[in-house]
Amino acid sequence: EAGVVQSPRYKIIEKKQPVAFWCNPISGHNTLYWYLQNLGQGPELLIRYENEEAVDDSQLPKDRFSAERLKGVDSTLKIQPAELGDSAVYLCASSLGRSSDTQYFGPGTRLTVL
Amino acid sequence: GENVEQHPSTLSVQEGDSAVIKCTYSDSASNYFPWYKQELGKRPQLIIDIRSNVGEKKDQRIAVTLNKTAKHFSLHITETQPEDSAVYFCAATHNNDMRFGAGTRLTVKP
Repeated sequence: EAGVVQSPRYKIIEKKQPVAFWCNPISGHNTLYWYLQNLGQGPELLIRYENEEAVDDSQLPKDRFSAERLKGVDSTLKIQPAELGDSAVYLCASSLGRSSDTQYFGPGTRLTVL
Repeated sequence: GENVEQHPSTLSVQEGDSAVIKCTYSDSASNYFPWYKQELGKRPQLIIDIRSNVGEKKDQRIAVTLNKTAKHFSLHITETQPEDSAVYFCAATHNNDMRFGAGTRLTVKP
C-alpha cells in the first residue's frame, strides 16, 4: 500500500514569492492534515480536512496561507507571499477518519525562504 | 486546548540500557496516545500507541504506560540499540485533534 505522498520534497524561494505544496493521502483515508514542523520541535497543526470540508483551520495564518481539498482526496497548501519565518518542514498526514484514529505522515516538504 | 509536555528533551544511553521518555497532557478528554519516531530528514513513523481504556501496551522492546488519573504516559525502550537513535514525539488526541510534545532526542552510544 502506498503511503502519503508529498511534492516537492524541497523548495527554495525568495521572500514575497508564492509557493504551493501538494499532498496525496493514503487511499481511502477521509481525514487529511497539514502540519508545520520547525527545527527541533513537534509538528503543529495548520488545518484538518474531513473529506473536502476544513473542520479545523484555527491555526492557519489566513492572511497568507490557504489550502484546498476540492474532491476530498489530494490537497494543496499555498503561501502567498512567503516570509523568512515560513522556512520549515510542511508535513501532510492522513487517517481513516474515525474518531482519534492513527495518523500516517508523508515525507514532508522542506521550505527555505531566502 | 490540549497541551502536551515531554521530558527529557535529550537523552543519552549506552547500548543495551533502557530509555524512558515521559509526557503529560492537560485535556482529560484525550483518549488516544501515539508515539512517533523521527530520524533526521525523515517522516515521523508510528512506533506504538495506546488508547485510554488500556493501562499498558508492549511490542517487543517497546512499551507504553498510561496513567489517566495523573494524565501522564511514558515510553519505555529496553535493550537499546544504535538504530534506536532518533527524535521521539508523544502526542495526545481527542476527536482527531492531535497535539504533539516537543520531542526527545535519544542517542544510543555503541
